[in-house]
Amino acid sequence: DVKVTQSSRYLVKRTGEKVFLECVQDMDHENMFWYRQDPGLGLRLIYFSYDVKMKEKGDIPEGYSVSREKKERFSLILESASTNQTSMYLCASTTGEVGKLFFGSGTQLSVL
Amino acid sequence: LAKTTQPISMDSYEGQEVNITCSHNNIATNDYITWYQQFPSQGPRFIIQGYKTKVTNEVASLFIPADRKSSTLSLPRVSLSDTAVYYCLVGDNYGGSQGNLIFGKGTKLSVKP
Repeated sequence: DVKVTQSSRYLVKRTGEKVFLECVQDMDHENMFWYRQDPGLGLRLIYFSYDVKMKEKGDIPEGYSVSREKKERFSLILESASTNQTSMYLCASTTGEVGKLFFGSGTQLSVL
Repeated sequence: LAKTTQPISMDSYEGQEVNITCSHNNIATNDYITWYQQFPSQGPRFIIQGYKTKVTNEVASLFIPADRKSSTLSLPRVSLSDTAVYYCLVGDNYGGSQGNLIFGKGTKLSVKP
């Protein structure tokens, strides 16, 4: 089975801190994604990457950056965390096969 | 980008068949229709995908009419464990263009005993 692993299940950070969310997939997928999920808003795409060192902005990239130095790893970076970035963050990957995303279990981030 | 519209919530009882319909009036020629299931505190999980007519797998069936402006996910004989949020997505998902996949707010299905 495809496995997408997010480094932390729960994370608590303070306003202004730099936060790294890590995601690793074990199936040699080209494409990787970061979403955030908030009650009543569904999933919203932050950034995605279709190759090493390549990145594309999603719908809500403001306040975030990403890094993809290796094919299996896609990192989401909050340069200076703010309270409105408290959310569930979901990482996903896919080969490019139409629409079949594989998601991690998510990281619930609380910014105090 | 094709936008989807689904009911916010649905209720059902164990053993019933549940049909969740999704509208996607602006679906493009190259778009596929994909459904995901999400349990609380977990990431979404792929259920089924289709382009036209009917698709069936061990979990569900997907009905797509000829005009492709809507689709219906059918869950046969639901159980309590089918309580989840179901998302309908449309998109042309080749390579880097997978960024155009849009998750809406989904349909919260509640199955009661």
